Amino acid sequence: DTGVSQDPRHKITKRGQNVTFRCDPISEHNRLYWYRQTLGQGPEFLTYFQNEAQLEKSRLLSDRFSAERPKGSFSTLEIQRTEQGDSAMYLCASSLVYSYEQYFGPGTRLTVT
Amino acid sequence: ELKVEQNPLFLSMQEGKNYTIYCNYSTTSDRLYWYRQDPGKSLESLFVLLSNGAVKQEGRLMASLDTKARLSTLHITAAVHDLSATYFCAVEPLNTDKLIFGTGTRLQVFP
Repeated sequence: DTGVSQDPRHKITKRGQNVTFRCDPISEHNRLYWYRQTLGQGPEFLTYFQNEAQLEKSRLLSDRFSAERPKGSFSTLEIQRTEQGDSAMYLCASSLVYSYEQYFGPGTRLTVT
Repeated sequence: ELKVEQNPLFLSMQEGKNYTIYCNYSTTSDRLYWYRQDPGKSLESLFVLLSNGAVKQEGRLMASLDTKARLSTLHITAAVHDLSATYFCAVEPLNTDKLIFGTGTRLQVFP
């Protein structure tokens, strides 16, 4: 197993465009998390799934953000009508239920111009 | 509002010296994590502290947790250049499954 993977690693988009990111968790990890990290700050929790169920969403996640995990494996995070303030590193992590550790992927760096 | 504060935010230290990074948090929790992040990279797990009084050591780094004081420390012994990175503590509040991260401590070790 090669760990959590994310695609793309970098994305440059123009304001107003929609973007979608993908996260593949470690095999058999049933929990999947999304965090956002802006420059010079710590990661902020966005949402998480247990299997295909989305169990919690942060108030940071505006209506323009949506996340899915349709088959309980990979997840997608979509941002509609991107704004410059969306520029950040989007991190995905996975874990097992009853395990204490979240394993982070390499992140997707989004730049909105 | 949940807060996780780290002190100092920036630390420049000479090789061979010792120093401690502090992590204070404002919520009830008995789980605390320390991560390392190199520039442009993702987060690498260093320590998982699961109970009051927990102490873990790996190489030149030692982490401890005092849940009553809501305080964790990351102690660096005889720093070397390879330890230069940003260090984050993260708290998992009771009855949640998410991590609340601190502001980070950027460590720079010079000869």
